[in-house]
Amino acid sequence: ELKVEQNPLFLSMQEGKNYTIYCNYSTTSDRLYWYRQDPGKSLESLFVLLSNGAVKQEGRLMASLDTKARLSTLHITAAVHDLSATYFCAVGIYNDMRFGAGTRLTVKP
Amino acid sequence: EAGVVQSPRYKIIEKKQPVAFWCNPISGHNTLYWYLQNLGQGPELLIRYENEEAVDDSQLPKDRFSAERLKGVDSTLKIQPAELGDSAVYLCASSPGPRQETQYFGPGTRLLVL
Repeated sequence: ELKVEQNPLFLSMQEGKNYTIYCNYSTTSDRLYWYRQDPGKSLESLFVLLSNGAVKQEGRLMASLDTKARLSTLHITAAVHDLSATYFCAVGIYNDMRFGAGTRLTVKP
Repeated sequence: EAGVVQSPRYKIIEKKQPVAFWCNPISGHNTLYWYLQNLGQGPELLIRYENEEAVDDSQLPKDRFSAERLKGVDSTLKIQPAELGDSAVYLCASSPGPRQETQYFGPGTRLLVL
């Protein structure tokens, strides 16, 4: 059974700092997704990573994928308060996705 | 472009009552998903439709849950009878097709069963 593990589950960081969220998964997959969810809101797609070594960047967020290590990272550069949200990774399996438990990020001034 | 529309946004019912959720996907999206999201967890797939065909319903508790997607557009998810443990957010998502396509999520229906 596919397992998707994110860590940390909770992250509190100061504005201006850098940090990385990790997403490990237990079986072969050829695609990895990152979503953002604000409290009481739905999920917003951030990145879709489709190949080993894929790297995508949008603003202060950068996502990468290592399919051999079964690992994706979401790197936050110079965090700002607006990035406070829950971040989910999801692993593509056959025609579906399996989500991690999410990382609840709080950026403090 | 309109996003995925869901209604109602909130629903409070007593246990053993029936409840139904409605989803209108993004126009042209053939694949539709229903997810269950418990508090503090990631979404879990309940059912996936390709057009009007349910192609993956292995996680749908069929004793009380049912879903339909008539004409391959709108979809309805029903629970009858509801149990206390069904309290959660029910998310609908759609994509142009399966696999590599990003899924676009609706705002969800927050269900509370008393």
